[in-house]
Amino acid sequence: EDKVVQSPLSLVVHEGDTVTLNCSYEVTNFRSLLWYKQEKKAPTFLFMLTSSGIEKKSGRLSSILDKKELFSILNITATQTGDSAVYLCAVSQDGAGANNLFFGTGTRLTVIP
Amino acid sequence: DAGVIQSPRHEVTEMGQEVTLRCKPISGHDYLFWYRQTMMRGLELLIYFNNNVPIDDSGMPEDRFSAKMPNASFSTLKIQPSEPRDSAVYFCASSFVSGFDNEQFFGPGTRLTVL
Repeated sequence: EDKVVQSPLSLVVHEGDTVTLNCSYEVTNFRSLLWYKQEKKAPTFLFMLTSSGIEKKSGRLSSILDKKELFSILNITATQTGDSAVYLCAVSQDGAGANNLFFGTGTRLTVIP
Repeated sequence: DAGVIQSPRHEVTEMGQEVTLRCKPISGHDYLFWYRQTMMRGLELLIYFNNNVPIDDSGMPEDRFSAKMPNASFSTLKIQPSEPRDSAVYFCASSFVSGFDNEQFFGPGTRLTVL
């Protein structure tokens, strides 16, 4: 069964801390892995990763994919209260079907001032 | 651009009633997606369109669900008849890049409660 598992489920840190969120997957015919940030409302896109070992970076956020070990990490350095959100990981597989996209249940990050 | 627009933002209805959710994608975006999010199942892709044509509806849970896109600026997701287990947040998203694994822009969602 194809699945995406995120850990931890929730995390509470203090401002300035660095956090690492994990996403592991078991998805046949892997195509890409996506990270989204979901605050109170809709998800917003962060990164798409397709190749192992190539870090994607945006400000204090960065992500890397390991296709051999089947996981990705999302790092956030110098966390701020505005980083508080649910971070979603999704994996797509080859194929054009709506059922070719799998989401994890998310990691809820809370940043305390 | 105002972004993806969804209406209504909240809907409360009784079991058995028909529910219609509406979405206006970002102008110029050729792809439109409908998602459902629940605590139990997380985020699920239900169906997506390319140039107003449904490409795949394999994520639609049952025949009670249907979606249409009569033109490039409007889509509907209909549930008939609705059931309590349909209670969820329904998101519409659009993108201008091919494939559903590229950046998508999400609307604010419609929170549906079926009593």
